[in-house]
Formats: sequence, structure tokens, C-alpha cells
Amino acid sequence: DAKTTQPTSMDCAEGRAANLPCNHSTISGNEYVYWYRQIHSQGPQYIIHGLKNNETNEMASLIITEDRKSSTLILPHATLRDTAVYYCIVRRYNFNKFYFGSGTKLNVKP
Amino acid sequence: GAGVSQSPSNKVTEKGKDVELRCDPISGHTALYWYRQSLGQGLEFLIYFQGNSAPDKSGLPSDRFSAERTGGSVSTLTIQRTQQEDSAVYLCASSLPSGQGNGYTFGSGTRLTVV
Repeated sequence: DAKTTQPTSMDCAEGRAANLPCNHSTISGNEYVYWYRQIHSQGPQYIIHGLKNNETNEMASLIITEDRKSSTLILPHATLRDTAVYYCIVRRYNFNKFYFGSGTKLNVKP
Repeated sequence: GAGVSQSPSNKVTEKGKDVELRCDPISGHTALYWYRQSLGQGLEFLIYFQGNSAPDKSGLPSDRFSAERTGGSVSTLTIQRTQQEDSAVYLCASSLPSGQGNGYTFGSGTRLTVV
């Protein structure tokens, strides 16, 4: 699976959009981009995934660049409950395990 | 059940004792995974089950660690002769057969402390 690079931490004001970047320059054509988050003392929670098209669901939007070498997770209106570690992962769709890196610690501040 | 259930939620054990950690996956999820997370660290893959068989055990750190799954449902992770470095949160996740659906659903984990 391709390696991902994320900033260690980010701050965001409550009510503003949180934009979390991820670099995956070695991604291959059959690898998807997945995002999970882990709120303190809980198991990771699935957020969204995509291949090459932008995706949106009730939690977030995923923007993938045309060359697929990077992506951005967007939380449109961050709340204090969105404070968590956000993991960007790439993996083949039929592969059986995720490799979780260090993620980005998002601090949403009032 | 509605989610992945793990028990116990917390376990304190003495060094050298054996422990068993249980995972009850979502009904219908044939794939089951064990990860562990040491304090302040990322998740470390341990083992993957498809049904009752474990095609990928590559993450088990030593032969003190073993896991089994029966009836395609409940899984037990056993750690023999526990050491202090085994202290971590052990997370279980389940999913539809690999490649389907939206990835994993994780349980809340078992926090293991070896004293």
C-alpha cells in the first residue's frame, strides 16, 4: 500500500471549515483513499473514501487531485466534537488490512 | 448486534499471566481484524480473519500471541505470559468480505495494563 504523509496537527475555529491535507504521491491506479478519525478513547470511525472522483457524505467531503497524488478532507462546519486524530489511508479495494500512520491531530477551538 | 462489542473494556493483569480478549463482530460481517494501539501511537495490525480462517497473521508480535475465531463470529485474542510491553489498547474491527462496503467498523477496544 502507498504511504501517506499528513501534518502532525492543525487548529480550526469552531464553525469554520476544517481542511485536512494528505499526500500520497506513490498511489497506484487500483488504490483507494480512505479517511478515518479517532476520538479520544474510542475506536477509529470511518468517514469517507474515494478513488478519483470527489465524494461527499453527511460527515465530510473528499477532494482528490486529478493526478491522485494528494487529497483533502473537508469538514464544512467544524464543531468541538470533531476534535480527533484524522487518518488518511490508501489501500487496494480488495486488500484485507489498513495501515494507519500517525494521522493529523485536529484541535477545534471555540 | 448493532456494533462491534469487545470485552472486557479494561483488564489489569500481573506480568507472566495469560489473558483472553473477546470480540463480538457485527452480525453478517465475515471479516474480522485485530489491531493494537500503544499509548500515543498509531494502530498496529495484528491478524485478519475471513470466516474462521486467518489468512494473514503477519502482525502477531511473538508466539505468545494467538487468536481464534469460531462459528464465523466471536474471536478471542490470547496473550500468554504477558509482559509489560504488551500494555496497550487492543482494538477489534469487522467488515463485509474484504473489498466490499465502507471499510471497517471498530469496537471501543480493551485497555490492557500489565503490572
